[in-house]
Amino acid sequence: QQQVKQSPQSLIVQKGGIPIINCAYENTAFDYFPWYQQFPGKGPALLIAIRPDVSEKKEGRFTISFNKSAKQFSLHIMDSQPGDSATYFCAASGSGGFQKLVFGTGTRLLVSP
Amino acid sequence: NAGVMQNPRHLVRRRGQEARLRCSPMKGHSHVYWYRQLPEEGLKFMVYLQKENIIDESGMPKERFSAEFPKEGPSILRIQQVVRGDSAAYFCASSALRDFYGYTFGSGTRLTVV
Repeated sequence: QQQVKQSPQSLIVQKGGIPIINCAYENTAFDYFPWYQQFPGKGPALLIAIRPDVSEKKEGRFTISFNKSAKQFSLHIMDSQPGDSATYFCAASGSGGFQKLVFGTGTRLLVSP
Repeated sequence: NAGVMQNPRHLVRRRGQEARLRCSPMKGHSHVYWYRQLPEEGLKFMVYLQKENIIDESGMPKERFSAEFPKEGPSILRIQQVVRGDSAAYFCASSALRDFYGYTFGSGTRLTVV
């Protein structure tokens, strides 16, 4: 019940394409859903996050879509660029005091020129 | 602000040796979190510490692993008698408040046990 399932494991798109990464969760107590971007040899960096009271959030070329009833959320990268090539992790947690982040297994994205 | 500093970046240990991983939080941050990333997996929570206190160690293996965050100096994650299965990337994050939404991760320590 603490798992966050992420797919696909890897993804290749051409420059300008719109990669979509999906995550699903079971724990209905989760109410904070961040996405992290990780480049090789670096730590994860917070990209964008959403709470269940909204169905969509946009920050620049990155958009999170959230479906509370299906317990699913996804990341869309508009007009993808080779510099977006990285591993993307979804995560989830509860709220109120300290809550552990539960991470998905990651999606390795390659944007070809 | 140098960010969260972890050292060493890479650490090689033989089976049975001890590994010490250090984490200096961002300036002004008094909350430290350790996560472990096994190959081809996401990060998994290990422990949450404040200065001189372990707040939540529910993700720590029961044996061989310990963590501390002394009043002065960096936070230390210590792994005694390492085994091949301990090979992973260990990430430290810090925040200024108990509310972790302000997480900042370091670049990690890659531990290889040979």
